[in-house]
Amino acid sequence: DGGITQSPKYLFRKEGQNVTLSCEQNLNHDAMYWYRQDPGQGLRLIYYSQIVNDFQKGDIAEGYSVSREKKESFPLTVTSAQKNPTAFYLCASSWGRVNSPLHFGNGTRLTVT
Amino acid sequence: EDKVVQSPLSLVVHEGDTVTLNCSYEVTNFRSLLWYKQEKKAPTFLFMLTSSGIEKKSGRLSSILDKKELFSILNITATQTGDSAIYLCAVVTPPALSGGGADGLTFGKGTHLIIQP
Repeated sequence: DGGITQSPKYLFRKEGQNVTLSCEQNLNHDAMYWYRQDPGQGLRLIYYSQIVNDFQKGDIAEGYSVSREKKESFPLTVTSAQKNPTAFYLCASSWGRVNSPLHFGNGTRLTVT
Repeated sequence: EDKVVQSPLSLVVHEGDTVTLNCSYEVTNFRSLLWYKQEKKAPTFLFMLTSSGIEKKSGRLSSILDKKELFSILNITATQTGDSAIYLCAVVTPPALSGGGADGLTFGKGTHLIIQP
């Protein structure tokens, strides 16, 4: 079955450590996205990529980094520079064309203490 | 700045009731409006609305867009406990950069719907 896989589901880290969240899709989608979800807030865009080896900052990119070396993979690194990293992170993909709806992974809940 | 406002933020009803969720928006250049249902994990796509006044329907769920008044509603009739979820509204706008870039997508904060047996 085609879909988006995020791993792990839950991640715990100590403050000051970098952590990488995995996102893989087998939908052959061109575009991939990372969103952050905090309680009482809508989804906020961190980074997106429309094509391999290219990515753009979203609204809240500070403290995060990404890579897009393969079409199916778009890992997100939460660096120690991110001031409030504890959140629910959602990866999504789409055809990247006009009005293509997003398909989401199941999310990773990151807790930093 | 593009803005999407959903109301109410939370709603508790009894099974069998009908609910109406609201989504209003202020964006510079509207392309479409999307509704998602989010249970414990991934939001799942419900509807995409591009034209005013045309109702989209799927089972007990329906949605309509009013581009003049800049809002959309999501109706759920004969609610069931399985309808309990956060319902997200998002508005799609053209890329910020001319010549390329991803569509803009602005999400509302969501409506947390709880259906009591």
